[in-house]
Amino acid sequence: DAGVIQSPRHEVTEMGQEVTLRCKPISGHNSLFWYRQTMMRGLELLIYFNNNVPIDDSGMPEDRFSAKMPNASFSTLKIQPSEPRDSAVYFCASSFRQGRAGELFFGEGSRLTVL
Amino acid sequence: DAKTTQPNSMESNEEEPVHLPCNHSTISGTDYIHWYRQLPSQGPEYVIHGLTSNVNNRMASLAIAEDRKSSTLILHRATLRDAAVYYCILSRAGGGADGLTFGKGTHLIIQP
Repeated sequence: DAGVIQSPRHEVTEMGQEVTLRCKPISGHNSLFWYRQTMMRGLELLIYFNNNVPIDDSGMPEDRFSAKMPNASFSTLKIQPSEPRDSAVYFCASSFRQGRAGELFFGEGSRLTVL
Repeated sequence: DAKTTQPNSMESNEEEPVHLPCNHSTISGTDYIHWYRQLPSQGPEYVIHGLTSNVNNRMASLAIAEDRKSSTLILHRATLRDAAVYYCILSRAGGGADGLTFGKGTHLIIQP
């Protein structure tokens, strides 16, 4: 089975530009999570969806960040406008909501550099 | 979520067992204990989880103290590929449902 697929793997852009990161979760999974990782702050949960519905977006840093999940097999994380402090590795993870301890499967991440 | 405390780093030799400790003195009765690891330039990957009893799988063993205030991840025979950051995480609602809050973890260094 294919794992969680993220694109692009690397993105370099200039301040002020719009950035869109994409994620395809594992087929059959019904929960999807967006994380951000930096050296300073470690891994931070930004937002998560259950059955395509956003449940908790309290980790989204600013209004410049938005996430959508139009269907069970696709999600986007958009930053508009981007700023240098948004430079980080963004991970998408998915899971099957089973009881209380479902395993999270992470993608390989999208490394974003904002100049 | 209750907090966990892990050493910043640990060093071990190849082919020897590794015991990674985690303290979670404020754990509640319904919190699961999860362990994930992150290899260089990769996303985190699941290692093991437990609630009260010790658990074994092909990757590792999880030993949970009787009072549940601490746990130990055991790698029975470390290889160079086990060099990674290991995260001990508690989840009140279940990782698969509501996500997991990662701390700084333990950076495990394996010497050949």
